[in-house]
This record gives sequence, structure tokens and C-alpha cells, in this order.
Amino acid sequence: EVELVESGGGLVTPGGSLRLSCGASGFMFRSYAMNWVRQAPGKGLEWVSYISGDSSFIYYSDSVRGRLTISRDNAKNSLFLQMNSLRSEDTAVYYCARAFGNGGWDSWGQGALVTVS
Amino acid sequence: SLVLTQPPSMSVAPGQAAAITCGGNNIGHKHVHWYQQKPGQAPVLVVYDDRDRPSGIPERFSGSNSGHTATLTISTVEAGDEADYYCHVWDSSRDHVVFGGGTRLTVL
Repeated sequence: EVELVESGGGLVTPGGSLRLSCGASGFMFRSYAMNWVRQAPGKGLEWVSYISGDSSFIYYSDSVRGRLTISRDNAKNSLFLQMNSLRSEDTAVYYCARAFGNGGWDSWGQGALVTVS
Repeated sequence: SLVLTQPPSMSVAPGQAAAITCGGNNIGHKHVHWYQQKPGQAPVLVVYDDRDRPSGIPERFSGSNSGHTATLTISTVEAGDEADYYCHVWDSSRDHVVFGGGTRLTVL
């Protein structure tokens, strides 16, 4: 069974840093592109970042470029999001999600809450 | 940049059909995916590549995409379909993922 589990969320002061992790199991992790997406309280989904299976392609939304860094360790079946220079507007539940085929995301983690205050 | 526009809300009686639209410039040339999100839960993929359903998704869910509008149709709405629905595309011109603003479906 495919499973994605986020960890590392919490409370951080503005300007601080946090590192989210997403552990994957039940599939060949290296074969799939992965994404981070976030959802502020009471708001819609906002894409954060994309990384290809071999890390050769990485993309960011304009709102996080230069502050958040996506990476992965295929040997450890893990996806990461290093979050620096955090702002109050980064407060959200952060989800990792697996992409397949033409870009649909068929598996999502349960989410990790990041509060910047 | 590509903007996807969804109606913020809609209400449907049980047994009726619901058609949730997602408008965007030439969206008919892109692959559109749809997600259902219930309160306190992660989103779930219900339609991918415009019209395909993942395993486990009822046939009541279908999709179409042409011109400047993609549509998610729930043919016979049930109480359990009450949720937020989001459309999603890859904007290749900017290498960005774009989500619609979401539609809250209320079952009367």
C-alpha cells in the first residue's frame, strides 16, 4: 500500500527555519516526481514545489522561491522541504504528494501543520 | 500566467447532477485533474487526465475538457459527496502547478 507520512511541523517565530520530511513506502520512490503543496487555514490549495524522480528538475512557486528548498533522498525513500526566513503567511498545513503520468497526484500525506507566529 | 477560475460554491439536492467548472485560457490543451477534499482530510484524486477515474472512485464522477473550460460532473449526488473540489493543471509555459480556487459543494 502506498503511504506518505509528513513530519517536522510545528511552531516557529518569524524569520526562523524548519525542515519538513515526507517518508514514502509501498512504491518505488525513485520513479516518481514529488510535490509539496500547502493550505492556509480556511483557504484553498497552493502549490509550493516540485522535484523529479532523479532530482534533475526542481521548480518553485514565486511565493517561496529563494526561501524554501526541496530535496529528496531516494536511498532513504524520503522527501524534504527546508524552510528558511519564514513569514506569517507561510502558516499552513503542508502536504507531500506523489505525481504520476501526466501530472495527476494520486497519493497524499496526512499533512504537517506549520505555524509561524 | 494561467489562472483557473472555479465557482466558490454550489448547492445540489441529493440525486441531482452537479457540474463543477474550471475555466482557464486554452485549458482544453492541457491535462486537467480534480481533487475532492473533505474537512480535516487530505485531498483525494477523483479524476485525472481530463476524464479518467482512479480505482475506487465511483462511476458517478466524470470529467470533460474543451476550449477554455473543464468540467467535473457528479451524475447522482449523494450526501457523502459534500466537500471542496479543486481543479489542477501543469502550466508548461512557466513550469508551475496551478490550482483552481476550489468549489464547495453543499448537498441540500
